Parts: sequence; C-alpha cells; structure tokens
Amino acid sequence: GQQLNQSPQSMFIQEGEDVSMNCTSSSIFNTWLWYKQDPGEGPVLLIALYKAGELTSNGRLTAQFGITRKDSFLNISASIPSDVGIYFCAGHAGGTSYGKLTFGQGTILTVHP
Amino acid sequence: DAGVIQSPRHEVTEMGQEVTLRCKPISGHNSLFWYRQTMMRGLELLIYFNNNVPIDDSGMPEDRFSAKMPNASFSTLKIQPSEPRDSAVYFCASSIAGGFQETQYFGPGTRLLVL
Repeated sequence: GQQLNQSPQSMFIQEGEDVSMNCTSSSIFNTWLWYKQDPGEGPVLLIALYKAGELTSNGRLTAQFGITRKDSFLNISASIPSDVGIYFCAGHAGGTSYGKLTFGQGTILTVHP
Repeated sequence: DAGVIQSPRHEVTEMGQEVTLRCKPISGHNSLFWYRQTMMRGLELLIYFNNNVPIDDSGMPEDRFSAKMPNASFSTLKIQPSEPRDSAVYFCASSIAGGFQETQYFGPGTRLLVL
C-alpha cells in the first residue's frame, strides 16, 4: 500500500531558528496536506496543496507540492515556543478513495526559548 | 461552524466494560473517519464512512470494535469488551469527499484509559 516517509522524526531547535521537514511517497498524490497537533488536541490543518509545484504560505509557514507529486516540504521561519507540537504530512491519492488520507509518521518539534 | 464534535473527551473504564465513543461531523461533510493514536503505533485509520455507508473497516483491530453511522450527523465507535491495550486517543474526522479539494478536519479526540 501507499506509504509516506516523513523526516526528521524529531527536531530540537532554538527559538528564532528556521525549521524544515519533508515527506516522500512511493506513489503519486493529488493533494498534500500539513497538520499540526498540539499536546492534548487533535490535528489541525495548516496548509493544503492541490497542484504540483504549488508553493503556499500561511504566516511563517511555507509548504510546497513537489513537481513529481511524490513529495512535499514544510518550512517554518523564525520559530517561536508555540510552534512546539507534532507536524504531520498527509496525502490524498484521488480517485474513488472517498477522501481517505495517508499520513506520515510525524515530526516532533521542540523549541527552546 | 462548530467543527467536529466528539464526546466524551475523557473516558476511564475497567477492563471488560463496554465503551461508546461519539462523533458529530461538520455539517455538509459526507465522509467520516475514525482514527486511533498511540505512542507506539502513531495515527491509525480504523474505519471510514461515505454517505453513512462503511467503506473500509480493515483497520478495525478485532471484532470487539464496531462502528455505526445511522445518519449524516452522528457516528459511534464501540468497544465491547474493552481491554487495557485499547487505551489510546480516538479521533473522528470528517471531509467533503469527491470534490476538487480534499481535506479532513479532526475533532479534539477522546482519551480512553482502560484499567
């Protein structure tokens, strides 16, 4: 079945640093999504990407849909303590999957003040 | 919009008891997903529905787990009998499937502890 490899698994950074994480897939996706999960909460959608090559920003967050449609990255600029959490990538293959997503394993981000 | 609503937010029960988790999807969404999250296994898809019909339940761990969606605004996930290894956070998510732009929106989760 489809698998998403998300890296890195965890990151420990200083406040103010930039962060980069990525996901790669063995198969093509039509949609890439990035979620953030705060401790004790459900995943919250950060950015959605629907076209190959698309580059989208949401405040300090920037994400890109890879040209091959098999990868995506998320960058966070000038990190702050509230960026702490788990970041998940997810892909949608399209077709008759009824909205089913394939999730990466998550990147645990720790930001030291 | 109120978002996906789940209840209860926390559940503590004893082994052998029946547990029922509830979910109200976002109004107008036609697909509903149940996930389980643990430290060991991460986020696992258990079952999902489209237009109230179960599409794929291959992620349901065993016969002790069952899910229903009697109408477009309500779904339940039931564990009977519960076991300590069922302790996890259970999420419900909903989406508008079949459209051009697929996304899923998650509820806050139910934290289940089986003693």
